[in-house]
Amino acid sequence: GIQVEQSPPDLILQEGANSTLRCNFSDSVNNLQWFHQNPWGQLINLFYIPSGTKQNGRLSATTVATERYSLLYISSSQTTDSGVYFCAVNEWGLTGGGNKLTFGTGTQLKVEL
Amino acid sequence: SQTIHQWPATLVQPVGSPLSLECTVEGTSNPNLYWYRQAAGRGLQLLFYSVGIGQISSEVPQNLSASRPQDRQFILSSKKLLLSDSGFYLCAYLRSWDPYEQYFGPGTRLTVT
Repeated sequence: GIQVEQSPPDLILQEGANSTLRCNFSDSVNNLQWFHQNPWGQLINLFYIPSGTKQNGRLSATTVATERYSLLYISSSQTTDSGVYFCAVNEWGLTGGGNKLTFGTGTQLKVEL
Repeated sequence: SQTIHQWPATLVQPVGSPLSLECTVEGTSNPNLYWYRQAAGRGLQLLFYSVGIGQISSEVPQNLSASRPQDRQFILSSKKLLLSDSGFYLCAYLRSWDPYEQYFGPGTRLTVT
């Protein structure tokens, strides 16, 4: 099956700093989502981005499908950005359908005052 | 709008006891539904998915089973819990139109003692 790797595994930032999180995947995908898991465990959808670039406020994401990676940018970080960020992909052409997601192991982000 | 519910939110069960976790979705019909488990730390693992009533696909051989008795209801069960079944269980649905994003419920935190 497809492999999904995220880096860095852990990140500590001062409030106001910028950061880039990376997601590498081993095969072609037709779906890529970024999620933020808050301290209560809720997974919050950030981006659906199988290719291209999107922006939402202080967050933006870029996926280069031909090179099999995606980047999540967080600018002017705030303490509320703390939590775990996951990348998840659906492998292109997977038999049986179902649009199943394979998750990376996440990046644990802590934003300090 | 579409919403997803899970209950209970928290559960403590002894080894050998049965389990039933419920997930329901509102505001959509015949969605793809998914059960994931997140063990201590990070990483979500897909357990089951369903593309319709009575249609269940298992991703990982284990002590658990799933059923879909109604269009918008997905149940995760076990006849006898093991210590290794402890974890955070998340239900998700696939939006029925483009972009085909998965959205997650609030989760059930299960501790097997």
